[in-house]
Amino acid sequence: NAGVTQTPKFRILKIGQSMTLQCTQDMNHNYMYWYRQDPGMGLKLIYYSVGAGITDKGEVPNGYNVSRSTTEDFPLRLELAAPSQTSVYFCASSTGTNHNEQFFGPGTRLTVL
Amino acid sequence: AQTVTQSQPEMSVQEAETVTLSCTYDTSESDYYLFWYKQPPSRQMILVIRQEAYKQQNATENRFSVNFQKAAKSFSLKISDSQLGDAAMYFCAYRSASYSGGGADGLTFGKGTHLIIQP
Repeated sequence: NAGVTQTPKFRILKIGQSMTLQCTQDMNHNYMYWYRQDPGMGLKLIYYSVGAGITDKGEVPNGYNVSRSTTEDFPLRLELAAPSQTSVYFCASSTGTNHNEQFFGPGTRLTVL
Repeated sequence: AQTVTQSQPEMSVQEAETVTLSCTYDTSESDYYLFWYKQPPSRQMILVIRQEAYKQQNATENRFSVNFQKAAKSFSLKISDSQLGDAAMYFCAYRSASYSGGGADGLTFGKGTHLIIQP
């Protein structure tokens, strides 16, 4: 069991470029999440999904898009990258049962210059 | 919307001693879950302990225990016999148990407390 995997680990983008952060989980979890962590701050929810084909916005969705075509994958798309999107991005998944423990990936550090 | 506040940006403790990290939260809900996550320099988020709001008994996991005061909306973490490996950022997090999507709207985190262990 690899758990939650994210690629890439690091990335530098220029302003206006686009990219997709990949997230895959092999635990057959229905629920998946994207968070961002700015320096000195806790994580903030960007988007989440309760199953394939279903996504919804979190606290800070502007500038991002997601899709969920399979149970395993939940990619995060950045369009027209801006310096304000410089952050560490975490993907997480959970079963959605009452215990609601979320399992996190190792994160992607993104810098927009 | 719920908020989580960690008022101690940094704490320092001698190895083998006990330290308590504070967390308060604001919610109008009666049913929810509270968590403490550890984030070492590797960045990996690791669940330390969780508490269901409907349980009066405080959760315990080995050297880690919580003091959950529902009326005061307080959820502190006590680490006993501190070890060098406990050095990390610690985040308090809240999650609703209500079905607004099965409680699927994610965790609300505090800003974290940086725990330093002095050898």
